[in-house]
Amino acid sequence: EAGVAQSPRYKIIEKRQSVAFWCNPISGHATLYWYQQILGQGPKLLIQFQNNGVVDDSQLPKDRFSAERLKGVDSTLKIQPAKLEDSAVYLCASSPREGAHSPLHFGNGTRLTVT
Amino acid sequence: DAKTTQPPSMDCAEGRAANLPCNHSTISGNEYVYWYRQIHSQGPQYIIHGLKNNETNEMASLIITEDRKSSTLILPHATLRDTAVYYCIVRTSGTYKYIFGTGTRLKVLA
Repeated sequence: EAGVAQSPRYKIIEKRQSVAFWCNPISGHATLYWYQQILGQGPKLLIQFQNNGVVDDSQLPKDRFSAERLKGVDSTLKIQPAKLEDSAVYLCASSPREGAHSPLHFGNGTRLTVT
Repeated sequence: DAKTTQPPSMDCAEGRAANLPCNHSTISGNEYVYWYRQIHSQGPQYIIHGLKNNETNEMASLIITEDRKSSTLILPHATLRDTAVYYCIVRTSGTYKYIFGTGTRLKVLA
């Protein structure tokens, strides 16, 4: 099966600019996660979707970050405006359905550099 | 907050077993333990998971203590390609969140 696809692979922007990341989960996977991974740290969960509904966004900085998952398939994560501390790898993951014991499948992430 | 504690780094000789410990003393009865690893510039890769019984697959073995407060991931014959950061995760019940800690950086030495 095809894996989780993310684009772009790399992005460099200046602070106060906007940026968007795209994720295409594995076909049929109902649950989708966005993580932020700062260099040297473990991934931090930003938001979790079940189909097109938000299950948990308690760690999402909602003043600048937004995410959507239209039609319960693809998802986009947006940052507006970006800050220097947003420099990180943004990882998308999916799993078949909430509660299943099937593991998360991760994409290779988008590396964001804010200058 | 992460519900697991791991040593920050470990070394292992190539061909020997690598035993990676994890403490999860606050785990609840229906929460699973998952292990992932992350090689530089890639997303985390699933290794194995378990509830209370020991588990084995083609990559590794997972030993969970009887009280479920700790576990050990065993790579039976470590190779240089096993050099990575290994994350032990307790998947929360209810919302099924996977909360990562800081992991163990395993270096396999030739």
